[in-house]
Amino acid sequence: AQSVTQLDSQVPVFEEAPVELRCNYSSSVSVYLFWYVQYPNQGLQLLLKYLSGSTLVKGINGFEAEFNKSQTSFHLRKPSVHISDTAEYFCAVSEGNNNDMRFGAGTRLTVKP
Amino acid sequence: NAGVTQTPKFQVLKTGQSMTLQCAQDMNHNSMYWYRQDPGMGLRLIYYSASEGTTDKGEVPNGYNVSRLNKREFSLRLESAAPSQTSVYFCASSEATDLYEQYFGPGTRLTVT
Repeated sequence: AQSVTQLDSQVPVFEEAPVELRCNYSSSVSVYLFWYVQYPNQGLQLLLKYLSGSTLVKGINGFEAEFNKSQTSFHLRKPSVHISDTAEYFCAVSEGNNNDMRFGAGTRLTVKP
Repeated sequence: NAGVTQTPKFQVLKTGQSMTLQCAQDMNHNSMYWYRQDPGMGLRLIYYSASEGTTDKGEVPNGYNVSRLNKREFSLRLESAAPSQTSVYFCASSEATDLYEQYFGPGTRLTVT
């Protein structure tokens, strides 16, 4: 079965700095990859997804991620973060259905003024 | 549109008590899901319903039952609560199970003492 590892549990950054949240996956078949964001006391919201095609995927709120098959990674990046980006970010992998989706443990991004 | 709603928002149970978590969606989605979120573990799928009239086990179904009451509503029941079921529970819905975007409710924080 597929699995996901988020390499950093917490990432503190200053406002307007760039950020990268790292995600590695394992699977024996083709995968589909997702990043979700969870703001305090809310449910998860889809940021972006890779299903096929271009390996650079752009999402909402200025985030983007790059699928790297050789390194089995799907890192999330933003060139300049805002205070409002403070949230928990989850990487997820699926082999074809929502019901087989596996989530990482999450990375808490804290943006400081 | 309210999206996905969950009740209650918070609940404290004693070991052995039972309760039902309610979930409803107003997006005419076919598929609905119940997840639990535990610190350091991301989200794990408990049960899902691919369409009205069907339910299936997810990754961690033990100790839970579900009912897809109609297309809008999907409830999760704990028959005899245990401290290991202390968690935050999220309901989600999607148009179908094959990688359509999942929309999440705000969650129910359950504590079992």
